Amino acid sequence: TQLLEQSPQFLSIQEGENLTVYCNSSSVFSSLQWYRQEPGEGPVLLVTVVTGGEVKKLKRLTFQFGDARKDSSLHITAAQPGDTGLYLCAGGGGSNYKLTFGKGTLLTVNP
Amino acid sequence: NAGVTQTPKFQVLKTGQSMTLQCAQDMNHNSMYWYRQDPGMGLRLIYYSASEGTTDKGEVPNGYNVSRLNKREFSLRLESAAPSQTSVYFCASSELGTDSYSGNTIYFGEGSWLTVV
Repeated sequence: TQLLEQSPQFLSIQEGENLTVYCNSSSVFSSLQWYRQEPGEGPVLLVTVVTGGEVKKLKRLTFQFGDARKDSSLHITAAQPGDTGLYLCAGGGGSNYKLTFGKGTLLTVNP
Repeated sequence: NAGVTQTPKFQVLKTGQSMTLQCAQDMNHNSMYWYRQDPGMGLRLIYYSASEGTTDKGEVPNGYNVSRLNKREFSLRLESAAPSQTSVYFCASSELGTDSYSGNTIYFGEGSWLTVV
């Protein structure tokens, strides 16, 4: 069974601070996705990374896939209250029918 | 664009009652999924349908049945609800890609909050 461990589980910061969220596994994934989920909504895909060492940027969000494709990180620069939400990583194997989700990091950005 | 629509949004059941969660997508996707989300457990796959006419068990299928009615619709049925099935249920869909390295984008519905008392 492939497992994805996310850390930290909870994070509460002030507006303007930087933060990093981690997603780690002992298994190799062919792709790694990050989703954000707001209260009362379903998760929404932010990014997919597929190559070891790949870095993708989405405005103030930077996503990195580990060289060995076992881990990933999400870095947010100058966090804003609108970044508040549950961040989920999900690893894909040969087929994305069975994405493995981490348990999530609940981020609160206080104004 | 409606995307993935699931009903009902909220439901309270008594132990032993049955109910069906309905899901429809308008994106012409081949694959559809049912997940449940519980505090501290993350998202867990209940059942999925890779294409119309096929269904397969996911991680936590016990106590549930599914029907892929057509390409658009995928329903989840609880035959005899139990308190352990109290959860938030998400339906999702994705286009079946032929490139396993591209990563399918999975689109989620807004969720159905189910309480079994």
